[in-house]
Amino acid sequence: DQQVKQNSPSLSVQEGRISILNCDYTNSMFDYFLWYKKYPAEGPTFLISISSIKDKNEDGRFTVFLNKSAKHLSLHIVPSQPGDSAVYFCAAGRFGAGGTSYGKLTFGQGTILTVHP
Amino acid sequence: GAGVSQSPSNKVTEKGKDVELRCDPISGHTALYWYRQSLGQGLEFLIYFQGNSAPDKSGLPSDRFSAERTGGSVSTLTIQRTQQEDSAVYLCASSLQALADYNEQFFGPGTRLTVL
Repeated sequence: DQQVKQNSPSLSVQEGRISILNCDYTNSMFDYFLWYKKYPAEGPTFLISISSIKDKNEDGRFTVFLNKSAKHLSLHIVPSQPGDSAVYFCAAGRFGAGGTSYGKLTFGQGTILTVHP
Repeated sequence: GAGVSQSPSNKVTEKGKDVELRCDPISGHTALYWYRQSLGQGLEFLIYFQGNSAPDKSGLPSDRFSAERTGGSVSTLTIQRTQQEDSAVYLCASSLQALADYNEQFFGPGTRLTVL
């Protein structure tokens, strides 16, 4: 049962244009969502997050949008740069008792982003 | 400061052998996680440690998999009687125990396990 899905295995974008990476989830109990970026032979690195009570979070060139009714989130990168070429994973988590982080993240399959100069 | 480190970076073993994978988390991080990524798949949660105890082992795929953490620091993931389907990249992550906040996890570079 894939609770977090990234249906596009790859995305190719021209430098300077917008990259839009999509993610769908099935579990309405998730409390927060994160995007991670992964280069070959390295571990994933945290990029940006959003709480389930928000619909948008922005950090520089990166903006994450959350549509709870559609159980869909997206990551927008504007403008895209060749250095953004990597695998992008969306992940979701839940809070446990007392509001503490539950710890376990559920990841999507990843989307390979290629930004062409 | 130093990030999460894992050893070995690559491990090739024969089917049926036991393997141990090591993770050194970021100093001061009380939470530690093991994930694995099989070819073409996303990261699959295996086990979570808070200190030396494991509140969530739900992702361990079989009783051939076990993990321990000592001194609230180093963790070892052991796979007994390895099978070819165990071939994957095994990733370790650590995080501060966040209160009322999301849980940013810092990942190591992973151990690529190949079972022949």
